[in-house]
Amino acid sequence: DGGITQSPKYLFRKEGQNVTLSCEQNLNHDAMYWYRQDPGQGLRLIYYSQIVNDFQKGDIAEGYSVSREKKESFPLTVTSAQKNPTAFYLCASSPTGLAGGPDTQYFGPGTRLTVL
Amino acid sequence: QKEVEQDPGPLSVPEGAIVSLNCTYSNSAFQYFMWYRQYSRKGPELLMYTYSSGNKEDGRFTAQVDKSSKYISLFIRDSQPSDSATYLCAMKRTMSGANNLFFGTGTRLTVIP
Repeated sequence: DGGITQSPKYLFRKEGQNVTLSCEQNLNHDAMYWYRQDPGQGLRLIYYSQIVNDFQKGDIAEGYSVSREKKESFPLTVTSAQKNPTAFYLCASSPTGLAGGPDTQYFGPGTRLTVL
Repeated sequence: QKEVEQDPGPLSVPEGAIVSLNCTYSNSAFQYFMWYRQYSRKGPELLMYTYSSGNKEDGRFTAQVDKSSKYISLFIRDSQPSDSATYLCAMKRTMSGANNLFFGTGTRLTVIP
């Protein structure tokens, strides 16, 4: 089955710890994204990557880091510097990062992170 | 002012009703308009995708774009309990580019059997 997988589904973190959220896609999409969703605020872009070994900051990148070593994978690390990390994290991918096209984004099932 | 405004609801309708969901936007450069459906604790799934003004129909769903009014709508005919979800509008300025997709906050819809 083609799609985007995120793991784990639920994650609990103690204050001061770094945690890494996994995102994998087998759609052969060039571009991948990380969003954060909070009640009443919609989706906010954290980081995105249009091609392997390259990524750009989104609107709320502070306290987060990413890597894009493989086309299929775009892990997100939530560091201890992120002041309010409890949220629902969504990974997405789209077919064409740099070339033209509809570039519609498709989402994974999400990871709910709770800081204890 | 936010780039995209969407009434968060909640909106409750009886089964079989016609549902109208709406978004307004401020940037006239938006060209591509999308509607996503998100069930509770799940990722959003793409429902409809339209370019510029006009209507697009897919089964019980119709997406409408009025660029002169900066207003987009999603209509759901013969609504079903399975349509109960949060509906997110999204829009972008150009065909490519990863960092210019703007989302509304979502409207929570409940269809009552």
